[in-house]
Amino acid sequence: ELKVEQNPLFLSMQEGKNYTIYCNYSTTSDRLYWYRQDPGKSLESLFVLLSNGAVKQEGRLMASLDTKARLSTLHITAAVHDLSATYFCAVDKAQGGSEKLVFGKGTKLTVNP
Amino acid sequence: DTEVTQTPKHLVMGMTNKKSLKCEQHMGHRAMYWYKQKAKKPPELMFVYSYEKLSINESVPSRFSPECPNSSLLNLHLHALQPEDSALYLCASSQDPGGAQNDGYTFGSGTRLTVV
Repeated sequence: ELKVEQNPLFLSMQEGKNYTIYCNYSTTSDRLYWYRQDPGKSLESLFVLLSNGAVKQEGRLMASLDTKARLSTLHITAAVHDLSATYFCAVDKAQGGSEKLVFGKGTKLTVNP
Repeated sequence: DTEVTQTPKHLVMGMTNKKSLKCEQHMGHRAMYWYKQKAKKPPELMFVYSYEKLSINESVPSRFSPECPNSSLLNLHLHALQPEDSALYLCASSQDPGGAQNDGYTFGSGTRLTVV
């Protein structure tokens, strides 16, 4: 059974600080996804990581994937209040000839002034 | 068009009602998904349609009945729901059901369902 574990589950940080969210998964996969969710809203795609060593950056967020370690990181640089949200990582799992996304529990990020 | 459109955005229904959730995409994606998300939890897969055929049913109770009339539309028919079925229902689509050509999943804005 594929397990996707995120840590920390809750993160409170000050504006201007840096921090990293970790996502570990239990079975081989070459694709990993990061999503952002604001309260009461749907999922916003942040990054799609499609191969080992992939690194993508958008603004203050940078994501990387190490398929050998089964680890992805989401690094936050110089956090600002607008980044407060819940962040999910998700991994593809093959089943019945299809693929499905299996999500981590999410990391609730609060950025304080 | 790069969106997945879900209607309605909000739905309140009684336990004896029958209602339907609708999902539409015009990106040519051949896989469509229903996810259920309870408050403060991650989304959980309910159904996957691949080339308009049901390929995954995650042991969802029969009071939820999916339907894929064509490659652009996905419905979720609801009947005799329970209050614990109240949740955010998310539809998603992806290009390749087998995953090899997938470059991501596109999620709709969701339907907030309340069962009273």
